[in-house]
Amino acid sequence: DARVTQTPRHKVTEMGQEVTMRCQPILGHNTVFWYRQTMMQGLELLAYFRNRAPLDDSGMPKDRFSAEMPDATLATLKIQPSEPRDSAVYFCASGLQGGSYTEAFFGQGTRLTVV
Amino acid sequence: TQLLEQSPQFLSIQEGENLTVYCNSSSVFSSLQWYRQEPGEGPVLLVTVVTGGEVKKLKRLTFQFGDARKDSSLHITAAQPGDTGLYLCAGDNTGFQKLVFGTGTRLLVSP
Repeated sequence: DARVTQTPRHKVTEMGQEVTMRCQPILGHNTVFWYRQTMMQGLELLAYFRNRAPLDDSGMPKDRFSAEMPDATLATLKIQPSEPRDSAVYFCASGLQGGSYTEAFFGQGTRLTVV
Repeated sequence: TQLLEQSPQFLSIQEGENLTVYCNSSSVFSSLQWYRQEPGEGPVLLVTVVTGGEVKKLKRLTFQFGDARKDSSLHITAAQPGDTGLYLCAGDNTGFQKLVFGTGTRLLVSP
């Protein structure tokens, strides 16, 4: 049963602390997306990778956010230092680029609360 | 400014009613996708439409891609409580398969 796995599912942290979210994409998928979802802004694209190379991270606040793919089985999203406004659900999705489009398969998300 | 605007934002209907959700943009998309998200879960892909004017059916759901590939609609016939959820359209207008999502339509179907 192939699925995208995200850890942790929930994270509560204090303002100023570093937060690391992890994602294991579906085996064989060559594209990884990071999204943030809030009631106010909806589902925002933060960054995405193809074949482990970052293609676009214009949706991320560069001063505090960073996204990497150390290998094909792991994608990470770090926030340092975290702020209360970062509280949201962060989703990772993976897909296989094929033809003219990529279909995204989502993990269950990491619910982050920064107090 | 959102690239993909959905309407309505909220929809509350009774079981058995029909409904249509719209996804509009001023940009041309190479494809559009529809997802449904339930509380506590990530979005799940329902369909991908690629050709202008294309119509796809998935049981009681009918998806259409506009002729100019700038808009799409989702029609649900005889809605059921199990259809309740957040419906999201998504697409790429860059040619690099950068998948951006619409503003979402929250549907509640009451028995």
